[in-house]
Amino acid sequence: SQQGEEDPQALSIQEGENATMNCSYKTSINNLQWYRQNSGRGLVHLILIRSNEREKHSGRLRVTLDTSKKSSSLLITASRAADTASYFCATNSGAGSYQLTFGKGTKLSVIP
Amino acid sequence: IAGITQAPTSQILAAGRRMTLRCTQDMRHNAMYWYRQDLGLGLRLIHYSNTAGTTGKGEVPDGYSVSRANTDDFPLTLASAVPSQTSVYFCASSDSSRGPQHFGDGTRLSIL
Repeated sequence: SQQGEEDPQALSIQEGENATMNCSYKTSINNLQWYRQNSGRGLVHLILIRSNEREKHSGRLRVTLDTSKKSSSLLITASRAADTASYFCATNSGAGSYQLTFGKGTKLSVIP
Repeated sequence: IAGITQAPTSQILAAGRRMTLRCTQDMRHNAMYWYRQDLGLGLRLIHYSNTAGTTGKGEVPDGYSVSRANTDDFPLTLASAVPSQTSVYFCASSDSSRGPQHFGDGTRLSIL
């Protein structure tokens, strides 16, 4: 069963605008990860935030985590056409668990 | 170039045939995973291996088997393919139980 659910399912913005994607999950987690998938390619890891962290930055990416609401958001600032991709959140749950449970993804289109 | 190599990149297969999808990594990661990705359902874990010699079942293991004879290789076998196994299959690896996963570019499998 899906642990994470991204919102919105699809997002279309102009180049230079910010893009925000949200993820909700159901059970307690060790960490939450965001991945990007370009069309026809495998997933690429973007950022990992641990359950005791609230915010993390990496370049133009900002991730927040609210464990009380079981939700996370991914903000991409100053978007570029090359950011066009699908974005997935994935959660790692349970002590020693190797498994990630992925959401269904947000399809982001950045219009030049 | 370090990473995950999957083969074949695509395959059309008659129902009832046996098929093995190959996955090799050169990062010496302990853990490896097989996912299937279907439109509208995101990625679902089929099988995983925490270390060479051990394997475990994921969310959708029925109809699939895996082996992990060494660190680098993690083949996925469909003993008798059925049309519902038409999907894109991704292999991934990670060097820790909770860390980022690295993905191959997938095998697109069509069962007729």
